[in-house]
Amino acid sequence: KAGVTQTPRYLIKTRGQQVTLSCSPISGHRSVSWYQQTPGQGLQFLFEYFSETQRNKGNFPGRFSGRQFSNSRSEMNVSTLELGDSALYLCASRLTGTGDEKLFFGSGTQLSVL
Amino acid sequence: EDQVTQSPEALRLQEGESSSLNCSYTVSGLRGLFWYRQDPGKGPEFLFTLYSAGEEKEKERLKATLTKKESFLHITAPKPEDSATYLCAVHSNTGKLIFGQGTTLQVKP
Repeated sequence: KAGVTQTPRYLIKTRGQQVTLSCSPISGHRSVSWYQQTPGQGLQFLFEYFSETQRNKGNFPGRFSGRQFSNSRSEMNVSTLELGDSALYLCASRLTGTGDEKLFFGSGTQLSVL
Repeated sequence: EDQVTQSPEALRLQEGESSSLNCSYTVSGLRGLFWYRQDPGKGPEFLFTLYSAGEEKEKERLKATLTKKESFLHITAPKPEDSATYLCAVHSNTGKLIFGQGTTLQVKP
C-alpha cells in the first residue's frame, strides 16, 4: 500500500508570492491534516479536512488555506509569502471510524522563502 | 490551555546505555497520547498510542508508559539505529493534536 505522498519535495519562493502544496493520502483514508514544522516552534497544526470539509483549524492567519477533493487528495495554499513561512510542511492522513487516531505522515515539502 | 512539554531536548547515549524520555502534558480531557519517531528529512513515523493511566506498550527496545500527567518512553540497550527525534503528541477534547518539541536522541557506538 502506498504511503502519503507530498509534492513537491522542495520549493523556493520569494516574499509576496503564493504557493500550493499537494498531498495524496493513503488509499481509504478520508481525513487529511496539515502541519507546519520549524526548529523553533516544532510541529504546529494547520487544519484538518474530512470529506471535503474543514473539520478543525489551528491558529494560523488567513493566508493559509486548504481544500480537499472528492478523491481525498488535499492541497494547501499560502498567499503573500513571508520569510517566517519557511518551514517543512507535513501532510498526514488517518483512517476514520475506527477509534484509532494515529496519523501517517508524508515526507513533507520543504519551503524556503527568500 | 493544552500544553505538551518534552524533556530533555537532546540526549546522548552510548550503545547499550538505557534511558527514558519524558512527556508532560496538560490537556482538557485526554483522548490519546501518541509517540512518533522522526528521522532527518522524513515525516514522523507512528510508534505507540496510549489511552489511559497505567497503560503500557512495547516494541523491540522501546516501552511507553502513561500516568495522569506524563508519559515516558523507555529505551533499553539502545543501538545507533535508534538515533532520531522522538515526538510526543496529545489528542484532547478540542479535537486537535498537540505536539511537544521533541527529544533528539543520539546513540554512539
